[in-house]
Amino acid sequence: GEDVEQSLFLSVREGDSSVINCTYTDSSSTYLYWYKQEPGAGLQLLTYIFSNMDMKQDQRLTVLLNKKDKHLSLRIADTQTGDSAIYFCAEIPGGSYIPTFGRGTSLIVHP
Amino acid sequence: SQTIHQWPATLVQPVGSPLSLECTVEGTSNPNLYWYRQAAGRGLQLLFYSVGIGQISSEVPQNLSASRPQDRQFILSSKKLLLSDSGFYLCAWSENTANYGYTFGSGTRLTVV
Repeated sequence: GEDVEQSLFLSVREGDSSVINCTYTDSSSTYLYWYKQEPGAGLQLLTYIFSNMDMKQDQRLTVLLNKKDKHLSLRIADTQTGDSAIYFCAEIPGGSYIPTFGRGTSLIVHP
Repeated sequence: SQTIHQWPATLVQPVGSPLSLECTVEGTSNPNLYWYRQAAGRGLQLLFYSVGIGQISSEVPQNLSASRPQDRQFILSSKKLLLSDSGFYLCAWSENTANYGYTFGSGTRLTVV
Protein backbone atom coordinates (compact mmCIF):
# COMPACT_ATOMS: atom_id res chain seq x y z
CA GLY A 1 0.00 0.00 0.00
CA GLU A 2 0.94 3.64 -0.17
CA ASP A 3 3.15 5.06 2.55
CA VAL A 4 5.04 8.32 2.91
CA GLU A 5 7.95 8.45 5.33
CA GLN A 6 9.60 11.47 6.89
CA SER A 7 11.93 11.99 9.79
CA LEU A 8 10.11 13.54 12.72
CA PHE A 9 12.50 16.31 13.73
CA LEU A 10 15.12 18.60 12.22
CA SER A 11 17.03 21.28 14.10
CA VAL A 12 19.02 23.97 12.31
CA ARG A 13 20.73 27.23 13.12
CA GLU A 14 19.23 30.45 11.82
CA GLY A 15 20.80 31.36 8.47
CA ASP A 16 21.75 27.79 7.59
CA SER A 17 20.02 25.71 4.94
CA SER A 18 17.43 23.12 5.95
CA VAL A 19 16.84 19.94 4.02
CA ILE A 20 13.73 17.94 4.78
CA ASN A 21 13.55 14.51 3.22
CA CYS A 22 10.66 12.28 2.27
CA THR A 23 10.31 8.85 0.68
CA TYR A 24 7.19 7.54 -0.97
CA THR A 25 6.22 4.18 -2.33
CA ASP A 26 3.89 4.65 -5.30
CA SER A 27 5.98 4.93 -8.43
CA SER A 28 2.91 6.04 -10.40
CA SER A 29 2.40 9.13 -8.27
CA THR A 30 1.83 12.09 -10.52
CA TYR A 31 2.02 14.97 -8.06
CA LEU A 32 4.05 15.49 -4.91
CA TYR A 33 3.56 18.28 -2.42
CA TRP A 34 5.05 20.07 0.50
CA TYR A 35 2.79 21.62 3.12
CA LYS A 36 3.68 23.79 6.11
CA GLN A 37 1.75 23.81 9.39
CA GLU A 38 2.40 26.48 11.97
CA PRO A 39 1.28 25.84 15.58
CA GLY A 40 -2.47 25.71 15.96
CA ALA A 41 -3.13 26.38 12.29
CA GLY A 42 -4.19 24.48 9.21
CA LEU A 43 -1.81 23.22 6.56
CA GLN A 44 -0.57 25.64 3.94
CA LEU A 45 0.48 24.41 0.52
CA LEU A 46 4.08 25.51 0.01
CA THR A 47 4.89 24.00 -3.34
CA TYR A 48 4.27 21.01 -5.56
CA ILE A 49 6.15 19.21 -8.27
CA PHE A 50 4.99 17.13 -11.20
CA SER A 51 6.47 13.68 -11.48
CA ASN A 52 8.10 14.52 -14.81
CA MET A 53 10.25 17.20 -13.16
CA ASP A 54 13.52 16.76 -11.30
CA MET A 55 13.68 20.12 -9.60
CA LYS A 56 11.58 23.13 -8.85
CA GLN A 57 12.81 26.35 -7.32
CA ASP A 58 10.69 29.07 -5.76
CA GLN A 59 12.61 31.83 -3.99
CA ARG A 60 14.19 30.21 -0.91
CA LEU A 61 12.58 26.84 -1.58
CA THR A 62 14.07 24.11 -3.76
CA VAL A 63 12.30 20.82 -4.33
CA LEU A 64 14.27 17.87 -5.65
CA LEU A 65 12.62 14.72 -6.94
CA ASN A 66 14.44 11.44 -7.49
CA LYS A 67 11.88 9.17 -9.09
CA LYS A 68 14.20 6.20 -9.25
CA ASP A 69 14.66 6.21 -5.49
CA LYS A 70 11.17 7.64 -4.79
CA HIS A 71 12.78 10.40 -2.81
CA LEU A 72 11.56 13.96 -2.43
CA SER A 73 13.35 16.73 -0.59
CA LEU A 74 12.65 20.31 0.37
CA ARG A 75 15.55 22.68 0.83
CA ILE A 76 15.01 25.98 2.59
CA ALA A 77 17.85 28.43 2.06
CA ASP A 78 18.77 30.98 4.74
CA THR A 79 16.40 29.42 7.27
CA GLN A 80 14.66 31.92 9.54
CA THR A 81 12.89 31.52 12.86
CA GLY A 82 9.62 32.07 11.02
CA ASP A 83 10.28 28.86 9.13
CA SER A 84 9.82 26.87 12.35
CA ALA A 85 6.84 24.64 11.69
CA ILE A 86 5.84 21.12 10.77
CA TYR A 87 6.42 20.24 7.12
CA PHE A 88 4.34 17.54 5.48
CA CYS A 89 5.22 15.66 2.36
CA ALA A 90 2.31 14.26 0.34
CA GLU A 91 1.82 12.25 -2.82
CA ILE A 92 -1.20 11.54 -4.96
CA PRO A 93 -1.04 7.86 -5.83
CA GLY A 94 -1.78 6.87 -9.38
CA GLY A 95 -5.46 6.51 -10.12
CA SER A 96 -6.47 8.59 -7.10
CA TYR A 97 -7.09 12.24 -6.35
CA ILE A 98 -6.64 11.89 -2.60
CA PRO A 99 -3.16 12.55 -1.27
CA THR A 100 -1.28 10.37 1.16
CA PHE A 101 0.46 12.49 3.79
CA GLY A 102 3.60 11.77 5.73
CA ARG A 103 3.56 12.29 9.49
CA GLY A 104 5.38 15.59 9.20
CA THR A 105 8.86 16.86 10.05
CA SER A 106 9.08 19.37 12.86
CA LEU A 107 11.64 22.00 11.86
CA ILE A 108 13.17 23.85 14.79
CA VAL A 109 15.23 26.94 14.00
CA HIS A 110 17.43 28.26 16.77
CA PRO A 111 19.56 31.42 16.90
CA SER B 1 -10.24 34.34 -4.93
CA GLN B 2 -11.20 31.19 -3.11
CA THR B 3 -11.47 31.08 0.65
CA ILE B 4 -12.34 28.39 3.13
CA HIS B 5 -13.94 29.03 6.49
CA GLN B 6 -14.06 26.59 9.34
CA TRP B 7 -15.63 27.09 12.75
CA PRO B 8 -15.49 27.08 15.66
CA ALA B 9 -11.76 27.41 16.27
CA THR B 10 -11.90 25.66 19.63
CA LEU B 11 -14.52 23.54 21.30
CA VAL B 12 -14.75 21.78 24.64
CA GLN B 13 -17.55 19.25 24.83
CA PRO B 14 -18.56 16.66 27.43
CA VAL B 15 -18.58 12.98 26.62
CA GLY B 16 -21.90 11.93 25.13
CA SER B 17 -22.78 15.36 23.78
CA PRO B 18 -23.45 16.02 20.09
CA LEU B 19 -21.04 17.69 17.69
CA SER B 20 -21.41 19.88 14.65
CA LEU B 21 -18.45 21.42 12.85
CA GLU B 22 -19.04 23.48 9.76
CA CYS B 23 -16.89 24.28 6.79
CA THR B 24 -17.74 26.51 3.85
CA VAL B 25 -15.85 27.39 0.70
CA GLU B 26 -16.26 30.57 -1.31
CA GLY B 27 -15.13 31.54 -4.77
CA THR B 28 -15.39 28.18 -6.46
CA SER B 29 -18.04 25.70 -7.50
CA ASN B 30 -18.29 21.94 -7.22
CA PRO B 31 -15.17 21.55 -5.09
CA ASN B 32 -14.01 18.29 -3.58
CA LEU B 33 -14.35 18.61 0.18
CA TYR B 34 -12.52 16.73 2.91
CA TRP B 35 -12.49 16.28 6.68
CA TYR B 36 -9.24 15.25 8.35
CA ARG B 37 -8.37 14.61 11.96
CA GLN B 38 -4.92 15.27 13.31
CA ALA B 39 -4.19 13.51 16.58
CA ALA B 40 -1.34 14.25 18.96
CA GLY B 41 1.01 12.12 16.88
CA ARG B 42 0.66 14.70 14.10
CA GLY B 43 -0.41 12.31 11.35
CA LEU B 44 -3.39 13.31 9.23
CA GLN B 45 -6.25 10.86 9.11
CA LEU B 46 -8.75 11.27 6.30
CA LEU B 47 -12.25 10.91 7.75
CA PHE B 48 -14.61 11.82 4.92
CA TYR B 49 -14.52 13.24 1.45
CA SER B 50 -17.19 14.45 -0.91
CA VAL B 51 -17.16 15.01 -4.66
CA GLY B 52 -20.65 16.53 -4.81
CA ILE B 53 -23.83 17.43 -2.95
CA GLY B 54 -25.07 14.48 -0.96
CA GLN B 55 -22.09 12.34 -1.94
CA ILE B 56 -20.06 11.30 1.08
CA SER B 57 -17.33 8.70 1.28
CA SER B 58 -16.14 7.47 4.64
CA GLU B 59 -12.59 6.35 5.08
CA VAL B 60 -12.64 5.26 8.69
CA PRO B 61 -15.58 3.69 10.55
CA GLN B 62 -16.34 5.65 13.72
CA ASN B 63 -19.10 7.50 15.48
CA LEU B 64 -18.70 10.54 13.25
CA SER B 65 -20.71 11.38 10.16
CA ALA B 66 -20.52 14.02 7.46
CA SER B 67 -23.03 15.76 5.30
CA ARG B 68 -22.93 18.10 2.33
CA PRO B 69 -26.26 19.89 2.18
CA GLN B 70 -25.01 22.53 -0.27
CA ASP B 71 -22.31 22.62 -2.91
CA ARG B 72 -19.83 24.53 -0.78
CA GLN B 73 -20.83 23.42 2.71
CA PHE B 74 -19.44 20.41 4.53
CA ILE B 75 -20.53 19.45 8.03
CA LEU B 76 -18.95 16.99 10.45
CA SER B 77 -21.27 15.63 13.11
CA SER B 78 -21.56 13.20 15.96
CA LYS B 79 -24.57 12.20 18.02
CA LYS B 80 -22.51 11.21 21.06
CA LEU B 81 -18.89 12.22 21.47
CA LEU B 82 -16.26 9.89 22.89
CA LEU B 83 -13.06 10.87 24.65
CA SER B 84 -11.16 9.45 21.70
CA ASP B 85 -12.79 12.01 19.41
CA SER B 86 -10.54 14.72 20.82
CA GLY B 87 -8.17 16.15 18.25
CA PHE B 88 -7.58 18.82 15.68
CA TYR B 89 -10.11 18.69 12.84
CA LEU B 90 -9.24 20.13 9.48
CA CYS B 91 -11.48 20.82 6.56
CA ALA B 92 -9.98 21.12 3.09
CA TRP B 93 -11.06 21.64 -0.49
CA SER B 94 -9.56 20.97 -3.86
CA GLU B 95 -10.45 21.26 -7.50
CA ASN B 96 -11.93 18.12 -9.00
CA THR B 97 -8.58 16.78 -10.04
CA ALA B 98 -6.72 17.89 -6.89
CA ASN B 99 -3.65 18.31 -9.07
CA TYR B 100 -2.74 21.60 -7.50
CA GLY B 101 -3.13 20.46 -3.95
CA TYR B 102 -5.51 21.12 -1.15
CA THR B 103 -6.41 24.31 0.61
CA PHE B 104 -6.98 23.74 4.30
CA GLY B 105 -9.14 25.57 6.76
CA SER B 106 -7.68 26.92 9.98
CA GLY B 107 -8.84 23.91 12.00
CA THR B 108 -10.98 23.20 15.05
CA ARG B 109 -9.40 22.05 18.29
CA LEU B 110 -11.90 19.68 19.89
CA THR B 111 -11.42 18.56 23.47
CA VAL B 112 -13.86 16.00 24.80
CA VAL B 113 -13.97 15.97 28.60
